[in-house]
Amino acid sequence: QKEVEQDPGPLSVPEGAIVSLNCTYSNSAFQYFMWYRQYSRKGPELLMYTYSSGNKEDGRFTAQVDKSSKYISLFIRDSQPSDSATYLCAMKENDYKLSFGAGTTVTVRA
Amino acid sequence: DGGITQSPKYLFRKEGQNVTLSCEQNLNHDAMYWYRQDPGQGLRLIYYSQIVNDFQKGDIAEGYSVSREKKESFPLTVTSAQKNPTAFYLCASMGGLGELFFGEGSRLTVL
Repeated sequence: QKEVEQDPGPLSVPEGAIVSLNCTYSNSAFQYFMWYRQYSRKGPELLMYTYSSGNKEDGRFTAQVDKSSKYISLFIRDSQPSDSATYLCAMKENDYKLSFGAGTTVTVRA
Repeated sequence: DGGITQSPKYLFRKEGQNVTLSCEQNLNHDAMYWYRQDPGQGLRLIYYSQIVNDFQKGDIAEGYSVSREKKESFPLTVTSAQKNPTAFYLCASMGGLGELFFGEGSRLTVL
C-alpha cells in the first residue's frame, strides 16, 4: 500500500464548476500538507500549505485536512480553463522528506 | 528573481553515456532534492542533500550520483547503470516551512 493515495482522475469539468480533489494517507505522523499545481512540461508550484485539521481558504481554493480520517481535499470554486493542470498532494513529517500523491489531471472546458 | 534554475531543458543521450543535469538555486536554502517523474507515478525521490558536502539516497538512487560542493548547486549525474533513464527530472529546494520550490524540469530521452 502506498503511503499517499490520490484519486487518479482524469477529471473534466465545465467552466464555473467546483473541482474536488482528494488524497488519503496511512502515516499518522504526517503533520504538514500541501497541494501543488503542475502545468504540462513545467515544474510543480505550491498552491496551498497547511499544518492543522480544518479548512484553509485562498481565493477560489480551499484546502481541507481531516487528520482523524487521514484525508485531505482541495476544492476549486468557479473553475477556469486556466485551472487545467495536474494537481499533486504532498505531505511530510517533521523531517526533510515529502511524500507525494500520483497526481490528478484536471481539464476545465470553456 | 529568486528561484531554481535547471539546465538543460531537453537532453538526449545515447545508451552507455553518462549525462549531468544542472540545478542552481539563489534562495539560500540548505536542503535540495532531485525527483524523477514518470507518467502516472507521481514524483519519486532520487537523492537529497540537507547541507553542503552531505547527501542521502532517496527511494530510487540506483544508477544516479550527485554532489553538493556549494550551497547553490546540486548536480545530478545519470549514469549508464540506470536502466530506464528516460524521464522528466525535477530539482527542488526546501523553504523554511518545509515546502518545496521546484525548477522547471529537465526532460531526458535515451536514443
